[in-house]
Amino acid sequence: DGGITQSPKYLFRKEGQNVTLSCEQNLNHDAMYWYRQDPGQGLRLIYYSQIVNDFQKGDIAEGYSVSREKKESFPLTVTSAQKNPTAFYLCASSFDGTGGYEQYFGPGTRLTVT
Amino acid sequence: KNEVEQSPQNLTAQEGEFITINCSYSVGISALHWLQQHPGGGIVSLFMLSSGKKKHGRLIATINIQEKHSSLHITASHPRDSAVYICAVGGLRTSGSRLTFGEGTQLTVNP
Repeated sequence: DGGITQSPKYLFRKEGQNVTLSCEQNLNHDAMYWYRQDPGQGLRLIYYSQIVNDFQKGDIAEGYSVSREKKESFPLTVTSAQKNPTAFYLCASSFDGTGGYEQYFGPGTRLTVT
Repeated sequence: KNEVEQSPQNLTAQEGEFITINCSYSVGISALHWLQQHPGGGIVSLFMLSSGKKKHGRLIATINIQEKHSSLHITASHPRDSAVYICAVGGLRTSGSRLTFGEGTQLTVNP
């Protein structure tokens, strides 16, 4: 079955540690996205990539980094510079980055940093 | 003021009722998306539309570009429809596929 997988579903880290969230898709989509969701707020875009080896900052990129070495994979690293990393993180993909296609979402990773 | 406003924020209905969730936006858009988020957190895309009306089963989505407004209707609601419904808009083509999201409408359908 085609889809997007994120792992793990729950992740716990100590403050000051970097952590990498996994996102893989087998939909052959060019574009991939990372969003952050906090209680009572809409999803906010962290980073997006419209093609392999290229990515752009979203609205809240500070304290995060990404890579897009393969079409199927778009890992997100939450660095120790991110002041409030505890949140629900969602990865998504779409056929391309033109805006003419639906976005498909992964199941999400809930990150708790203490 | 948010670029995307949804109403109501919370909605409780009895099984069988007709439900309407509204979305207003303030920017020019290329497409509007309706998404459904279940309690576990996963999000499913329900509709993407840029004009008129779309129907899928008991769900109907409409959009009025001139008024910058969209509605999501659920006919014959069922407890399994309980979820958060999110409206998102895609900007003009020059901004590509970036979406701006509303805060969501929490729908609870009681048996």
